[in-house]
Amino acid sequence: SQTIHQWPATLVQPVGSPLSLECTVEGTSNPNLYWYRQAAGRGLQLLFYSVGIGQISSEVPQNLSASRPQDRQFILSSKKLLLSDSGFYLCAWSVQRTSGAYNEQFFGPGTRLTVL
Amino acid sequence: GENVEQHPSTLSVQEGDSAVIKCTYSDSASNYFPWYKQELGKRPQLIIDIRSNVGEKKDQRIAVTLNKTAKHFSLHITETQPEDSAVYFCAAPQMDSSYKLIFGSGTRLLVRP
Repeated sequence: SQTIHQWPATLVQPVGSPLSLECTVEGTSNPNLYWYRQAAGRGLQLLFYSVGIGQISSEVPQNLSASRPQDRQFILSSKKLLLSDSGFYLCAWSVQRTSGAYNEQFFGPGTRLTVL
Repeated sequence: GENVEQHPSTLSVQEGDSAVIKCTYSDSASNYFPWYKQELGKRPQLIIDIRSNVGEKKDQRIAVTLNKTAKHFSLHITETQPEDSAVYFCAAPQMDSSYKLIFGSGTRLLVRP
């Protein structure tokens, strides 16, 4: 069966510091991968998605970036964190869509980031 | 692109009563409609989904109905229990090459014991 991992689970960082969050998926090949952010008490904001190695699409222009160095690895980064970057960061995966049919999207356990 | 609206934003029911959450979508080509449940501090979990070739799907106490003509779908929870208390999100796909899900803004359901 498929499993998605995220680390770290929690992180407290000062403003202006760098960030690196990692997500890995097991048990599947060539998944679609997604990064979401959820501010406290709010909805799900899609940040980036990737349909293959090195293929990254950005949804929101900001000080975050994403990379996919391996098929099942997705990394979210920042060079300088802002207070507004605080939130719950969720990685998700889905099977590649075929024949127009959409496939289920599954979320990782998340990383809770607090920027002070 | 797809737009998904969800109502109500909060819903409080007595234990044992039913709860209904409604979503509307804009793209008539959308063909997949999932519902997620997010408990406090946890990840969203897929609880039920429906594809556009059916009008209703049930799984024990939860059901989802789809009205393609009106472009809306609903989550129905019967015999609610305190453990049903959570935030529920609906979603619909962006029907292009992006493989994105467009999420509703969420409904906070409180089941009073």
